[in-house]
Amino acid sequence: GAGVSQSPSNKVTEKGKDVELRCDPISGHTALYWYRQSLGQGLEFLIYFQGNSAPDKSGLPSDRFSAERTGGSVSTLTIQRTQQEDSAVYLCASSSTNRGYYGYTFGSGTRLTVV
Amino acid sequence: AQTVTQSQPEMSVQEAETVTLSCTYDTSESDYYLFWYKQPPSRQMILVIRQEAYKQQNATENRFSVNFQKAAKSFSLKISDSQLGDAAMYFCAYRAGNMLTFGGGTRLMVKP
Repeated sequence: GAGVSQSPSNKVTEKGKDVELRCDPISGHTALYWYRQSLGQGLEFLIYFQGNSAPDKSGLPSDRFSAERTGGSVSTLTIQRTQQEDSAVYLCASSSTNRGYYGYTFGSGTRLTVV
Repeated sequence: AQTVTQSQPEMSVQEAETVTLSCTYDTSESDYYLFWYKQPPSRQMILVIRQEAYKQQNATENRFSVNFQKAAKSFSLKISDSQLGDAAMYFCAYRAGNMLTFGGGTRLMVKP
């Protein structure tokens, strides 16, 4: 597609429920990233996928968080047993890694609210 | 680990005036890239300008320019002729390899 697409745009869930956030990257981009942005804060790295390589999960805050990327394209970030501190905007980005000159292209994010 | 620091949580500028946003970073790499992103209320991160570390010439994109001081590890953004549409959060970011590391952001307000 022309840009990075994320769904849903907004999600309200009850504490303890599981949620799935979806990211559809730019076609042909081999790298995909998830970031978390808490209210008024900067971006916190969560996880990175590059082609068929094992993902870099070093930013996941707990084992309640997991992500997968199917067929080198669409990615799903899953948060199990959601907590109120999980409330944030979750941003997905994709990148062509041929050259580091190119930054990331971001989606518009999913605003998650845990009540 | 690389760190990116934006020391100005908020900045304000009068419309049509010039404002400079500060950014410093820490790295042991010699080959890297620096970026400024704009995030309006729509949440979309928009790439404003980028700089390759090996280039001494400062990048310029229309009203946006940078002052890249490699030895000082400083990368400031200058916005000339500020417009109301420039009001947003601005993030400085550093990339070496595949990882993009962000600063904490500066909220820019533009006064009419």
